[in-house]
Amino acid sequence: GQQVQQSPASLVLQEGENAELQCNFSTSLNSMQWFYQRPGGSLVSLFYNPSGTKQSGRLTSTTVIKERRSSLHISSSQTTDSGTYLCAMDDNNRIFFGDGTQLVVKP
Amino acid sequence: GGIITQTPKFLIGQEGQKLTLKCQQNFNHDTMYWYRQDSGKGLRLIYYSITENDLQKGDLSEGYDASREKKSSFSLTVTSAQKNEMAVFLCASSIARDTQYFGPGTRLLVL
Repeated sequence: GQQVQQSPASLVLQEGENAELQCNFSTSLNSMQWFYQRPGGSLVSLFYNPSGTKQSGRLTSTTVIKERRSSLHISSSQTTDSGTYLCAMDDNNRIFFGDGTQLVVKP
Repeated sequence: GGIITQTPKFLIGQEGQKLTLKCQQNFNHDTMYWYRQDSGKGLRLIYYSITENDLQKGDLSEGYDASREKKSSFSLTVTSAQKNEMAVFLCASSIARDTQYFGPGTRLLVL
């Protein structure tokens, strides 16, 4: 089965709304990373967050190892936030990516 | 800061053809990775390398070869391109297994 499950698969927001993206993993975690990918673009690392909470501007990542989940919160969304958000986990042996959340923010 | 470059940007091949993708990084990172991304899907690891001349298979290594000739470069070969294959190949590098930095990708189309 898939090691990393991301939800929702897609999300449409009005500009200004908040978003909560989830990543659940089925094996023990060594590290967790969140990426942003523009349509047709390369990946940009948003957070390297093996545990706890990290914030950068309007983005907050929270990883709870015991519950095997990580979340990415986007506050006051903007149209430029549109794109794909991917999480990746590493169990110290292998690296697994989720299928991503496709986010569209409408003006 | 550093940069990862991937060449070529676009690659159109024919069924059965052997195709080579190249990746260079100037971060001086030890570990480099090759991933394949299919439309609407996450990334799947093909090969990675923890140092020069090292190769480790990922989940998707069948049908591919890789070569880490020097610390700064990591190449990937599609040994026999499959007809109608279309994917993006992404190269990344990191210090150990820390934060990964990605290149812009090579888009493959097989006719």
